[in-house]
Amino acid sequence: NAGVTQTPKFQVLKTGQSMTLQCAQDMNHEYMSWYRQDPGMGLRLIHYSVGAGITDQGEVPNGYNVSRSTTEDFPLRLLSAAPSQTSVYFCASRRLPGAESIFGPGTRLTVL
Amino acid sequence: GENVEQHPSTLSVQEGDSAVIKCTYSDSASNYFPWYKQELGKRPQLIIDIRSNVGEKKDQRIAVTLNKTAKHFSLHITETQPEDSAVYFCAARTRDDKIIFGKGTRLHILP
Repeated sequence: NAGVTQTPKFQVLKTGQSMTLQCAQDMNHEYMSWYRQDPGMGLRLIHYSVGAGITDQGEVPNGYNVSRSTTEDFPLRLLSAAPSQTSVYFCASRRLPGAESIFGPGTRLTVL
Repeated sequence: GENVEQHPSTLSVQEGDSAVIKCTYSDSASNYFPWYKQELGKRPQLIIDIRSNVGEKKDQRIAVTLNKTAKHFSLHITETQPEDSAVYFCAARTRDDKIIFGKGTRLHILP
């Protein structure tokens, strides 16, 4: 049982570049979510999904896209990276309703 | 939407003393309140949670209290140890099943 996995661990982008942060879980969890963590700002919800084919916006969705074609995978896409998107990104998953969120190890993204 | 406020942002206590972190939430329909601990460079991990049908829950040196009327919940750590040094986050589950976090408290345990 690998839990929640994220790739890559580190990434440096130039402004305007695009990329996809990968997240996968092998626990058959219905709910998956993406958070960003910035100093002094806590964990802010970007997008979430309650099941395959269903996604919705969180607190800070602008500049990010998501899709959920399978239960296991929930990729986060940056279409045109900006320096304001420099952050640590965490993916999390859990069963519905309201169970413990299991976090992935995080991706540290720097946008120059 | 739900708003979770957490205080203090930084807390320093002598080893062996108690630490208290407080949070308030805005959505009266919220009914699940987890607490996460994040060590430096690591992912957040659940340490304790409480549901709205109970007022207090304990797990060894850690306890959480909930006041639904005041929309207020707190984390209490007793007999603090060096390994308790970390960032602690409170969170609340919203009526549409999102988990919204507070901004975190950096706890320093002083020798």
